[in-house]
This record gives sequence, structure tokens and C-alpha cells, in this order.
Amino acid sequence: QSALTQEVSVSGTVGQRVTLSCIGNNIGRYPVSWYQQISHVAPKIVMFETSRPSGIPDRFSGSRSGTTSSLTISGLQPEDEADYYCSTWDTSRRTWVFGGGTRLTVL
Amino acid sequence: QVHLRESGPGLVKPSETLSLTCSISGYNVGSDTFWGWFRQTPGKGLEWLASLHPDGTSFYSPSLRRRDMMSLDTSNNQFSLTLTSVTAADTATYYCAKIGGVSGRRWFGPWGQGILVTVSS
Repeated sequence: QSALTQEVSVSGTVGQRVTLSCIGNNIGRYPVSWYQQISHVAPKIVMFETSRPSGIPDRFSGSRSGTTSSLTISGLQPEDEADYYCSTWDTSRRTWVFGGGTRLTVL
Repeated sequence: QVHLRESGPGLVKPSETLSLTCSISGYNVGSDTFWGWFRQTPGKGLEWLASLHPDGTSFYSPSLRRRDMMSLDTSNNQFSLTLTSVTAADTATYYCAKIGGVSGRRWFGPWGQGILVTVSS
């Protein structure tokens, strides 16, 4: 059982705003990072807490409330279709953990 | 620009040792940063395995065996992962990555393209 819970799938149309969530007890104690994986190739970081790495479009934003971290894409684009994973440090397991991933489909 | 690339055997027999190498370009493996190994399976998803700093500081997932380890090769600008006594459960796509940030605030990237390793007789 994953220490971080994500929606299995989310879908949206081009231009729509979608929010992916990541729920876990360690969220709030340690920063959460988000990774995009397109067609099972190398993951790419798209968000660290609320900061976007260089090169990530500004339609991506991050937020946190309590034990939930969220990744929001405002103005969904076809190239955003991918699997998204959240990650943080798990103090009880003493390991980095990932959520099960959300498959984002752009309709 | 930093690029990482995994290499190693695509097929390993059960109980044998798996050795994977991550070759780095655009960055010095001996610089002040951590390097890491991860794997991904359809059943367990993404899993962090180990992290290593050039000063010798290392962290290992509790899921690894006691003799599994990472090492750095500054001469060839690469780092490696060795998994001993592998089983079918070690069948996965393995990724290496640079670990950014500072203690308590770390992220993973860039990542290598990944290498599929199958454990089978």
C-alpha cells in the first residue's frame, strides 16, 4: 500500500483546468515533488512544492493544504497527457516514497 | 546540460548479481550532489532504491538486501548499483537520476532513459 494516495485517472479537455491530488501523512513535514512521465520514458520533475523548475510552462502550479499536495494545470494542452507521480520523504519508513501515479488523459 | 544514461544486462538469472552503471555527461560525478537509483514496475510503481554522495554518505531503501550497494567511479564519471541474489521481484525498469536540493528539500532530476532488466532463468 502506497504511503501517498493519488487518483488513478483524471481527464480533461484542451484548455480546461485540472487538479491532481496527492494525500499522505508526511505531506506538510517534508516537501513534495511532482514528476511527469510520458509514454513510460524518463520521468521529469515538473513541480517542487510550489516552485516550477526551469523550462516548465507556467500553466503548471503547485499547492498544499494540510496533508494534501496538489498539482494544477491551467489551460490543459495535448502534450500534458502523461502519468504524474508525487513523492516525498517518509519518516516512519525512512525512505523516499512515490504515489501510485495519476494517468492524465487529454480528451 | 546534464545527461544520464543507464547500461547493464537486460537479462539476469535468479540468484545472480545485477550490476548497472549510470554514465554522466555535462556534470562531474564528484561534485557536491547526491546521485540515485530508482526502479519501476507495473505492480509497485516507482521505487527509490539508493542515494550516494561523493563524500561517502549513502542511503539505502529498507527493501534492498544488506549486500546491495551503490558506488561512484570518478575516473569514468559514472556511478553504479549492484544488486545481489536477484529474484523475479527485481524485474523492473531501472532509472538513475541526479538528486538536487539540500538536506530536507530534495528532488530528483534529470533522469536517465531507463533500462529494462528481466530476472529469469
